[in-house]
Amino acid sequence: GAVVSQHPSRVICKSGTSVKIECRSLDFQATTMFWYRQFPKQSLMLMATSNEGSKATYEQGVEKDKFLINHASLTLSTLTVTSAHPEDSSFYICSARDSNGGRGETQYFGPGTRLLVL
Amino acid sequence: QKEVEQNSGPLSVPEGAIASLNCTYSDRGSQSFFWYRQYSGKSPELIMFIYSNGDKEDGRFTAQLNKASQYVSLLIRDSQPSDSATYLCAGDNQAGTALIFGKGTTLSVSS
Repeated sequence: GAVVSQHPSRVICKSGTSVKIECRSLDFQATTMFWYRQFPKQSLMLMATSNEGSKATYEQGVEKDKFLINHASLTLSTLTVTSAHPEDSSFYICSARDSNGGRGETQYFGPGTRLLVL
Repeated sequence: QKEVEQNSGPLSVPEGAIASLNCTYSDRGSQSFFWYRQYSGKSPELIMFIYSNGDKEDGRFTAQLNKASQYVSLLIRDSQPSDSATYLCAGDNQAGTALIFGKGTTLSVSS
């Protein structure tokens, strides 16, 4: 099956710093990747859709200047949490769809990045 | 707003029983449906997908789709404690470019 990796798996940072999370599709190309956030015991929340070569599409209520997304290639999308604060502490998960897949192509999830802001 | 609805649970079943997880969707344009399993602290992993009306079986899992009723279900036969997790139902959007996820149903299988 398709593999999506994320790095780092876990990060602890001080309040006010910026954190970059990478999402890579290892054995397929992904025109579109998705970034989710999940707080403990809550459901997945879609933050934004990352489009290769163009601007990301953000969900309502998600600050685009705080959560910077760059999708520079067909296998890499990055999410940068700028000036992180303790309330940004969460589990961030990316997913990707195979660009060559037709309608109904599966979304594969990365293993997630656990962010703790002190 | 197009939605996928699931009962949050928890759904509790004894070991060896059949667990039945249900999902409804509002977008009649959805054509493909997916079931993911998410263990606590982990990211979701795909269990099954289904495109056509009827049943699709894979080992202990059976997905059922009824497009007329806009209803998707997942049956888990011979439930095991290791099946205890949150199960996410998803349907594709009308353009077929992204999945719309339900909030998930928590399943607890007791030994």
